[in-house]
Amino acid sequence: AQSVTQLGSHVSVSEGALVLLRCNYSSSVPPYLFWYVQYPNQGLQLLLKYTTGATLVKGINGFEAEFKKSETSFHLTKPSAHMSDAAEYFCAVSATGNQFYFGTGTSLTVIP
Amino acid sequence: DSGVTQTPKHLITATGQRVTLRCSPRSGDLSVYWYQQSLDQGLQFLIQYYNGEERAKGNILERFSAQQFPDLHSELNLSSLELGDSALYFCASSADVGQFFGPGTRLTVL
Repeated sequence: AQSVTQLGSHVSVSEGALVLLRCNYSSSVPPYLFWYVQYPNQGLQLLLKYTTGATLVKGINGFEAEFKKSETSFHLTKPSAHMSDAAEYFCAVSATGNQFYFGTGTSLTVIP
Repeated sequence: DSGVTQTPKHLITATGQRVTLRCSPRSGDLSVYWYQQSLDQGLQFLIQYYNGEERAKGNILERFSAQQFPDLHSELNLSSLELGDSALYFCASSADVGQFFGPGTRLTVL
């Protein structure tokens, strides 16, 4: 069985500060891991994904995430927050690429 | 724009009714996924179709059903609607690992 835990349903950062959104997963097999962003009244947009290979994954809009198997984590980071980063962020896991399990989401607020 | 289209954008109906939500995947994508997003349940995977056949099933109620047609578009049928079925329903498609989401259909059951 797979599951995702996103620590912190709300995160606030100042513009220009580091963004760190936490995601821990549970999976009985090597997982596929994803981060999605959802802006108000829109669908989810894929930010980045880990399938195999390099554990540091770079995505769109300056975001990156690192797969740490020993910690069962896939935290999302961005060195410098921008006002346009304010949105809901979802971490997801899949063991097969067919069935996906999403976390409950983290709402990111960027303070000017 | 993800390339995935969903209709209608909004749907308002009454309890006990039946509705059909439609999804057209990105060109060339064979897989279609349906999700329900509500405030109390979060984003829940409902069902996946691959090239017309059911591939995976999640938390889909028996009152709900889906199908994927030869042209690869998909429909999600919701029947005997209850107030608790009010939610955003998303469709996603993929050709590889990772999904592209449509803009969603907001269903309101009164």
